[in-house]
Amino acid sequence: DIQMTQSPSSLSASVGDRVTISCRASQNIRTYLYWYQQRPGEAPKLLIYAASSLESGVPSRFSGSGSGTDFTLTISSLQTEDFATYYCQHSYTTPLTFGGGTKVEI
Amino acid sequence: QVQLVQSGAEVKKPGASVTVSCRASGYTFSGHHIHWVRQAPGQGPEWMGWFNPNSGDAKYAQRFQGRVTMTRDLSISSAYLELSSLRSDDTAVYYCARDRNYWTAPANYFDFWGQGTLVTVSS
Repeated sequence: DIQMTQSPSSLSASVGDRVTISCRASQNIRTYLYWYQQRPGEAPKLLIYAASSLESGVPSRFSGSGSGTDFTLTISSLQTEDFATYYCQHSYTTPLTFGGGTKVEI
Repeated sequence: QVQLVQSGAEVKKPGASVTVSCRASGYTFSGHHIHWVRQAPGQGPEWMGWFNPNSGDAKYAQRFQGRVTMTRDLSISSAYLELSSLRSDDTAVYYCARDRNYWTAPANYFDFWGQGTLVTVSS
């Protein structure tokens, strides 16, 4: 199975900050990488697909980059509604696996 | 608008089985694979498998093989997840999620999710 490792596991930030979250795959997954946001008590929400494509309706302050084994999710200017947990997921092969999550806190 | 509405919370004893339903609306149910993903308390999501409502084919994650069954009822646009031989570590929120691709092989990522169903396994 491909292991997805996120860092940090949590971070504290303020409104307006630039935030960067990393995700590393245990093998080359090309750009088969997705980012989700999950607020407490809610289902995950797709933010980024194919490593760098912004899902329709998602604010442009979210961006993704990377290929191969190293990927990054960036929030350019953190807003109140962005305080949540973020997960990466690969689709290179089955089983599909997720990272352990990064909790963004105030 | 696309909606996936799941059945309510369940409490089961170890060794029992549970069935979770997922009713789809707002799109052609047969056209998109349905995935099942679970999330234990405080943990990241875990993929359980996908189901093709059009063909009835399923692909299960190996760790659930033999314990999981995915089915559907086309007449009411609903998908079902059955998990048997429940253990305490099966306690989790179970989600159905729609695959991005339409009428083709699954893309294996999820553009719409159900609201989740909490399954608690306790003696």
